[in-house]
Amino acid sequence: DAMVIQNPRYQVTQFGKPVTLSCSQTLNHNVMYWYQQKSSQAPKLLFHYYDKDFNNEADTPDNFQSRRPNTSFCFLDIRSPGLGDAAMYLCATSRAILAGQETQYFGPGTRLLVL
Amino acid sequence: AQTVTQSQPEMSVQEAETVTLSCTYDTSESNYYLFWYKQPPSRQMILVIRQEAYKQQNATENRFSVNFQKAAKSFSLKISDSQLGDTAMYFCAYTNIAGTALIFGKGTTLSVSS
Repeated sequence: DAMVIQNPRYQVTQFGKPVTLSCSQTLNHNVMYWYQQKSSQAPKLLFHYYDKDFNNEADTPDNFQSRRPNTSFCFLDIRSPGLGDAAMYLCATSRAILAGQETQYFGPGTRLLVL
Repeated sequence: AQTVTQSQPEMSVQEAETVTLSCTYDTSESNYYLFWYKQPPSRQMILVIRQEAYKQQNATENRFSVNFQKAAKSFSLKISDSQLGDTAMYFCAYTNIAGTALIFGKGTTLSVSS
């Protein structure tokens, strides 16, 4: 029984063409996160939502935006993808905001390819 | 800034053997949390084990245990009686006591063979 679902698993887009990645959860968690994981690099947090409150990491490029229309869904929008944005994008959820005390549950990821 | 370093990009082990994955970190905080996450091929990342820095006792979860050396800022993962299903990428991660973000290392790919 899937808990954090990411669609699609693979996404191909063209340089500069807007793309949206989606994440849904059945855990009813308050917090949803988006991580970027480039090849052979550590996953890096882009931003997170605590309920409807959006929190952007300081070094997340403006090209990346997010929407959370309801508790279950969260979207990652890349306005003008560049070749350097090719990566695995991981969605995660947690019940509350303290990363040390609350386990983060990850989806399987969406691998984005930019042509 | 806090950093997490995993110096072993790849490791391999035979079934039933024991393997240790290394992780070091850098922080000026005295209280924090450390984690090991497992990411099997084409599957989601899951939490393996969590260690609270203010606890002296090393965390254990069945075949998985850690060796937490606070002074040395070292946090290694020992997998006993390795199984084929342990084949995965393993990430070490850190967060502050009140942190919202996990800071990950680059990962170690572990291959278990029969």
